[in-house]
Amino acid sequence: GAGVSQSPSNKVTEKGKDVELRCDPISGHTALYWYRQRLGQGLEFLIYFQGNSAPDKSGLPSDRFSAERTGESVSTLTIQRTQQEDSAVYLCASSLGGFYNEQFFGPGTRLTVL
Amino acid sequence: QQQVKQSPQSLIVQKGGISIINCAYENTAFDYFPWYQQFPGKGPALLIAIRPDVSEKKEGRFTISFNKSAKQFSLHIMDSQPGDSATYFCAASRRGNKLVFGAGTILRVKS
Repeated sequence: GAGVSQSPSNKVTEKGKDVELRCDPISGHTALYWYRQRLGQGLEFLIYFQGNSAPDKSGLPSDRFSAERTGESVSTLTIQRTQQEDSAVYLCASSLGGFYNEQFFGPGTRLTVL
Repeated sequence: QQQVKQSPQSLIVQKGGISIINCAYENTAFDYFPWYQQFPGKGPALLIAIRPDVSEKKEGRFTISFNKSAKQFSLHIMDSQPGDSATYFCAASRRGNKLVFGAGTILRVKS
């Protein structure tokens, strides 16, 4: 079956522009996560969706970052007024939800802000 | 208190040798400790995970050792192979949700 897919795979933008990153989770997975991976560093949690519950936004670094999820399917991460420090790989993961279930990661979107 | 500290930053091991990567955490509420393997250009993939009710878990050549009192856990890769060359991340969380990752270890296995 298909894994987690993300688009675009690469995005180059100019400072100050808005960008949208898309994640298609594994079908049937109720939980969806966004993480950020800066060059040479570990992943940082950004936001977590579980079913119809209010998302856990505790990892979002600023109000320029937001995310939405349509039901239990596609999610979009939006970064407004991009800054150079936003350059990173943005990874999406999905899981069956609940507790202790494996998170399956997509290949990521590499964002470069010039 | 949310940090997970991982060492070493990089590791070179001869084929057939044992690779050992260590992690330490601070938050005593953490109860799920996975290890992820990441190849260049790919997302991380779960390798093995442990809960604190056991001190060791083995899957094939991969073993996690867990020391609850010291708040440390480690990954051992036995009989390391060139195909194991990748970046390894430890992580920790409460209930398996918002993972807190270590900074990663770049492993190179020399043939």
